[in-house]
Amino acid sequence: AQTVTQSQPEMSVQEAETVTLSCTYDTSESDYYLFWYKQPPSRQMILVIRQEAYKQQNATENRFSVNFQKAAKSFSLKISDSQLGDAAMYFCAYRSPIIQGAQKLVFGQGTRLTINP
Amino acid sequence: ETGVTQTPRHLVMGMTNKKSLKCEQHLGHNAMYWYKQSAKKPLELMFVYSLEERVENNSVPSRFSPECPNSSHLFLHLHTLQPEDSALYLCASSQETAARTQYFGPGTRLLVL
Repeated sequence: AQTVTQSQPEMSVQEAETVTLSCTYDTSESDYYLFWYKQPPSRQMILVIRQEAYKQQNATENRFSVNFQKAAKSFSLKISDSQLGDAAMYFCAYRSPIIQGAQKLVFGQGTRLTINP
Repeated sequence: ETGVTQTPRHLVMGMTNKKSLKCEQHLGHNAMYWYKQSAKKPLELMFVYSLEERVENNSVPSRFSPECPNSSHLFLHLHTLQPEDSALYLCASSQETAARTQYFGPGTRLLVL
């Protein structure tokens, strides 16, 4: 079974600085997707960024980028120019190939990110 | 309404009550999911529906009973719950193509007394 591990329960960063959140996963599959979701105090999970395992190029979305190391099974999230609105729980998730038309996401334990003004 | 909506947002119930959680997606998706989010634990996938058929049941106790009457609506019927069932229940939906991701609702915060 696939597992996802986030080893940092909490992180904090000064506003405008850069922070990196770690995620490792375990799988025997070669084709999969990885995601970072953000859950602010409003509780709604919001997709931050997505990476397809077959793509060597790291995904980037504005201030958010990933460092995807397939051989090491590592998928870290870098947030540049941190803003107060980035404060949230961040979840790393693994998605195996679709089964019967539906996805199965496996989530890590989450990292609570605090932004210090 | 847009995206994925859930009602109620908060629910307090006794162990002998029967209640239902409702989820509605306005995205034209054909798969829907129930997750349980407890404090200090990863999100747990409970049920998966694809094209209104249940395709996964992750060993969830029978006191949780899902229902998917159509591709836009998903219910979670609750009866004789235990205090340890108190959690945030999240609904999500997706479209069954490889690149699509899941979109989540705001959740229902459930407290069982």
